[in-house]
Amino acid sequence: EAAVTQSPRNKVAVTGGKVTLSCNQTNNHNNMYWYRQDTGHGLRLIHYSYGAGSTEKGDIPDGYKASRPSQENFSLILELATPSQTSVYFCASGDARQGNTEVFFGKGTRLTVV
Amino acid sequence: GDQVEQSPSALSLHEGTGSALRCNFTTTMRAVQWFQQNSRGSLINLFYLASGTKENGRLKSTFNSKESYSTLHIRDAQLEDSGTYFCAAEEDYGNEKITFGAGTKLTIKP
Repeated sequence: EAAVTQSPRNKVAVTGGKVTLSCNQTNNHNNMYWYRQDTGHGLRLIHYSYGAGSTEKGDIPDGYKASRPSQENFSLILELATPSQTSVYFCASGDARQGNTEVFFGKGTRLTVV
Repeated sequence: GDQVEQSPSALSLHEGTGSALRCNFTTTMRAVQWFQQNSRGSLINLFYLASGTKENGRLKSTFNSKESYSTLHIRDAQLEDSGTYFCAAEEDYGNEKITFGAGTKLTIKP
């Protein structure tokens, strides 16, 4: 099973500040994903990546950037954090190279923007 | 997302009973996953299916891509089965984008 580690696990940020959420996976998966979870919405896809150097927009990319500098690391960047970005953020990884797109999640990062 | 319609949104069961959760898809999906989110918020992988049926203990899941639905059956429910269950599906466009349903909050009562 994939090991997906998110940091920090909790973060309080000020409105207008820059926030970087980090995700590391150790199983050499090619795909990585960032979701946010809010009550009543389930998990919504923000950005995803097919591999190092690749970033793709998900369903709700506005206000977020992503960076995939290596196979192992995928970051989510909030350049100007707003209170509406208060949420729980989940990172996931999956290996689609054999046609199996099963994904595995980290434990989540709780972000509060005040 | 709108492409994945999950029902019911909430379900209450007594210990020892069972029921089924369902996801309907408004577009063709090539695979589906089911997760349980526990009280600590962790997402636990239950099933991954590209077709057919899989069973694991008291859980069984089916995915019918032609008829655009998937089900998760729980039998002999236990207190530890409480949590929120999500289905997530991959679109059949080759973009490997995975969309979640809104979840079913399952409560098991003694």
